[in-house]
Amino acid sequence: ETGVTQSPTHLIKTRGQQVTLRCSSQSGHNTVSWYQQALGQGPQFIFQYYREEENGRGNFPPRFSGLQFPNYSSELNVNALELDDSALYLCASSYGQGRQEKLFFGSGTQLSVL
Amino acid sequence: TQLLEQSPQFLSIQEGENLTVYCNSSSVFSSLQWYRQEPGEGPVLLVTVVTGGEVKKLKRLTFQFGDARKDSSLHITAAQPGDTGLYLCAGSTGGGNKLTFGTGTQLKVEL
Repeated sequence: ETGVTQSPTHLIKTRGQQVTLRCSSQSGHNTVSWYQQALGQGPQFIFQYYREEENGRGNFPPRFSGLQFPNYSSELNVNALELDDSALYLCASSYGQGRQEKLFFGSGTQLSVL
Repeated sequence: TQLLEQSPQFLSIQEGENLTVYCNSSSVFSSLQWYRQEPGEGPVLLVTVVTGGEVKKLKRLTFQFGDARKDSSLHITAAQPGDTGLYLCAGSTGGGNKLTFGTGTQLKVEL
């Protein structure tokens, strides 16, 4: 139990639709990172939010966007869904962005795009 | 693009056997972490290594960071069914905690 909660746990969408995934960070954590994990692969870094500002982005197109709220919870939005967006989306919270700051992962949202 | 290649990709062994998982890259990382992930869950941190040549032990698990900080290994002694899971290495560069994950090693330990 990491204290990081994600919703929904599962989601089915069709190609071209938009989706919003939500993450509540662990109490006291001010940094949220999002990762995409395709089946059978390691997670890939999407972006990180620190104190409501984007703080680094991986190799993902602009249709992947996010927000962090004053309570440090976060949203991941994906527009114009493609079949390849089907994956497990993981949120991780930490206290800060330094390399010594441990990441606590949620259980993820399984997104299927048909 | 930084890549972390893990080998083997799959490993199925009997309880009591020893095993080693390798994590290799052409890039230098300031720190490297190992995670275990079970079905339906997020990855859980096992260890962080930061110094080249560093060795850390966690009960039956031994982690080593290469001298050049480009590679790492995870050795499990006397594997148990509870060790079953997806093992992921992950590196960070600079001073941050944005991680580059490896390709993963799926371990199954049978009775």
